[in-house]
Amino acid sequence: AQSVTQLDSQVPVFEEAPVELRCNYSSSVSVYLFWYVQYPNQGLQLLLKYLSGSTLVKGINGFEAEFNKSQTSFHLRKPSVHISDTAEYFCAVSAGNTGKLIFGQGTTLQVKP
Amino acid sequence: DTAVSQTPKYLVTQMGNDKSIKCEQNLGHDTMYWYKQDSKKFLKIMFSYNNKELIINETVPNRFSPKSPDKAHLNLHINSLELGDSAVYFCASSPGTGKTEAFFGQGTRLTVV
Repeated sequence: AQSVTQLDSQVPVFEEAPVELRCNYSSSVSVYLFWYVQYPNQGLQLLLKYLSGSTLVKGINGFEAEFNKSQTSFHLRKPSVHISDTAEYFCAVSAGNTGKLIFGQGTTLQVKP
Repeated sequence: DTAVSQTPKYLVTQMGNDKSIKCEQNLGHDTMYWYKQDSKKFLKIMFSYNNKELIINETVPNRFSPKSPDKAHLNLHINSLELGDSAVYFCASSPGTGKTEAFFGQGTRLTVV
């Protein structure tokens, strides 16, 4: 069975500082990994995805993530955050052939001026 | 144009009532999903349809019944609503069931009083 753990429930950070949101997964089969962002009272928007190939993936809004198979991690990073990045971030894994996404508990990124 | 649209966006109803949430996608995708987000923002899959065929049915009470009249629509009907059904319900779609991300609607916030 697959599972996802987001290691931080809340990450406060000052504007223009770098940030890393941590995600670890567990799976016995090959996985596809995703980061989604949820702004208040909105749906989920895909930030980036790892399906295969290069382990460093770049997404929208300046975010990137690195797939580390040996550490079963897929941490999300941004070198300089903006107030507008304040949102809930979800790491998700998809395995098998059903398309089912298993989500982590979410990390609230709070960017302070 | 909205890719995955749900109606209504907000739904307040009394315990014991029956209600439906509608979802439509104009992306030409074959697969559609219902996810539930609880008060702690945890997301969990409920159902998935591929080309109108049910392929995922997680441990969900029988009071919840999905219906897919065609592959562009997936509705969720809930009978005998209970307080614990209060949550945000997200519809999503994807091109297939494997190596691809899901596209989410804006969510329906259901409040049972």
